[in-house]
Amino acid sequence: DAKTTQPNSMESNEEEPVHLPCNHSTISGTDYIHWYRQLPSQGPEYVIHGLTSNVNNRMASLAIAEDRKSSTLILHRATLRDAAVYYCIFRHPNTGNQFYFGTGTSLTVIP
Amino acid sequence: NAGVTQTPKFRVLKTGQSMTLLCAQDMNHEYMYWYRQDPGMGLRLIHYSVGEGTTAKGEVPDGYNVSRLKKQNFLLGLESAAPSQTSVYFCASSYERGAETQYFGPGTRLLVL
Repeated sequence: DAKTTQPNSMESNEEEPVHLPCNHSTISGTDYIHWYRQLPSQGPEYVIHGLTSNVNNRMASLAIAEDRKSSTLILHRATLRDAAVYYCIFRHPNTGNQFYFGTGTSLTVIP
Repeated sequence: NAGVTQTPKFRVLKTGQSMTLLCAQDMNHEYMYWYRQDPGMGLRLIHYSVGEGTTAKGEVPDGYNVSRLKKQNFLLGLESAAPSQTSVYFCASSYERGAETQYFGPGTRLLVL
């Protein structure tokens, strides 16, 4: 059963906005959608999370579809330091309702 | 604060050997987690703990044991290492189940020959 579906890779030019999509059609009505990113040779780090409304913080924005079956992480101006693997995550019964990471999207930022 | 630390950073084992990976956090977090990450893959949950003295199985628990004798420490044990356990192991912690931020350690690279 599909959990989260993300593109394997994406590219962006430096200083341009990046929209990273995620499909999560099996998410329950009460589960938050989380985004983490993993820089090379590091552990993952929190980016943003939301339930139904669009969310903003200093790192990014999160746009959640009205039916909650998909979401988009928006980096407003990509920098070279944003090159990472981005994971769209929600809690799944197979992991005791803990985080299920999936394979993520590898973002390349082109100078 | 050091955050989440992991010991060792890198280890080579022979098949059948045992070892323990140590995770420590200084944020007074209730929840702690062990993940493994294979090349080109996302993280998979091995075991987790919701508080001192408790442990629970995650997605891929076979071949591993864990203990949470102290709130700040979460140990991951391999009793008889196998080449399939070659991976990078990440520990994480969070304040509580409802808290959405997990804080990750830098990882331990394990090679089983």
